[in-house]
Amino acid sequence: DTGVSQDPRHKITKRGQNVTFRCDPISEHNRLYWYRQTLGQGPEFLTYFQNEAQLEKSRLLSDRFSAERPKGSFSTLEIQRTEQGDSAMYLCAIQNSPDRAFYGYTFGSGTRLTVV
Amino acid sequence: QKEVEQNSGPLSVPEGAIASLNCTYSDRGSQSFFWYRQYSGKSPELIMSIYSNGDKEDGRFTAQLNKASQYVSLLIRDSQPSDSATYLCAVKRDTNAGKSTFGDGTTLTVKP
Repeated sequence: DTGVSQDPRHKITKRGQNVTFRCDPISEHNRLYWYRQTLGQGPEFLTYFQNEAQLEKSRLLSDRFSAERPKGSFSTLEIQRTEQGDSAMYLCAIQNSPDRAFYGYTFGSGTRLTVV
Repeated sequence: QKEVEQNSGPLSVPEGAIASLNCTYSDRGSQSFFWYRQYSGKSPELIMSIYSNGDKEDGRFTAQLNKASQYVSLLIRDSQPSDSATYLCAVKRDTNAGKSTFGDGTTLTVKP
């Protein structure tokens, strides 16, 4: 139990299809992040929410990617018209509470996307 | 040039030795620095954070920060085979909000 639940764990899709991933923090956290990680690389920032507001979006993120956090709790990441280059692990993270004295992240288990 | 640079390794040390992992960053405005451990096929796990110049110790782990040299390191004392993983360095401009930027990690192997 990492404190962040991601669904699905694995997704195989055909090129051109749309996919949606979900991230559910177990408890209330106002800051939620999406990252993407490919083999041999570190996590790459995609976007970040504070409550419902999407405060930052990577300029590397194409218009095919969209994310929402409608009620400030769970979040969804949608990729339209998937391409093989979208194959990666998609990680959701919450910022740890200030009273833990850490300001780093707790990551979910991730969703591994394979585009065939 | 990447914003956060790490030697990819692999770094191999014998069990019981000290493993030394290094990280440099380019953004002089960085305020918070983190080390994450990532086992193969798993997501990253926060193990250390540091904000001030100097050393910070937590059990077998010591993080070292030198902002003037834009350098962060992680020392693992009495390395164990269970420490074998990829170690990711991450930096953040804002201590509270905003994104972290990650390096590509150093793979550590601890041989029994």
